[in-house]
Amino acid sequence: NAGVTQTPKFQVLKTGQSMTLQCAQDMNHNSMYWYRQDPGMGLRLIYYSASEGTTDKGEVPNGYNVSRLNKREFSLRLESAAPSQTSVYFCASSESDRQPQHFGDGTRLSIL
Amino acid sequence: RKEVEQDPGPFNVPEGATVAFNCTYSNSASQSFFWYRQDCRKEPKLLMSVYSSGNEDGRFTAQLNRASQYISLLIRDSKLSDSATYLCVALSGGSYIPTFGRGTSLIVHP
Repeated sequence: NAGVTQTPKFQVLKTGQSMTLQCAQDMNHNSMYWYRQDPGMGLRLIYYSASEGTTDKGEVPNGYNVSRLNKREFSLRLESAAPSQTSVYFCASSESDRQPQHFGDGTRLSIL
Repeated sequence: RKEVEQDPGPFNVPEGATVAFNCTYSNSASQSFFWYRQDCRKEPKLLMSVYSSGNEDGRFTAQLNRASQYISLLIRDSKLSDSATYLCVALSGGSYIPTFGRGTSLIVHP
């Protein structure tokens, strides 16, 4: 079972470049999430999609955009990357608001 | 003040020891609780759900105390492979935004 798949696993960008992080789940989950994790900061929610067709801001949405392409896929876009966005990004999905989340194995992003 | 608080540790214990972590939550509307395990530079992985009646999975026992608003995780007969960071999570029905604690680091040494 693939679960939650994230691509790419590693990426190095220059300041000002743009890129899209991809996430897909095969568990037929309704809700999907994007987090970033920095040392000492824990997981911080960037955006989430409670169901197909909806997206909402989380704790740290500035500098990011998302698209819930269909039920399976939820992408995160950095329009103009900044060094402060250097982080590990995790995508997660859950069946509902009361069910646990399942995480992808992360994208390690460095912005120079 | 973060809504879910955990002692960051590290908890440094010998193999075979019993260790317990607590996690306090401030939102009384929280309804679902979970423990995750996260290895260094890896994704969080669901360890177990936490039920009001308490639940056990092998060497791991989770408890919920709604009156005092905390959940606990007990690990018996610790193994070297239990070394990791343990995250607690609280969910409020209808919110869709889970609240993660920052994690408790466990180091099991020979």
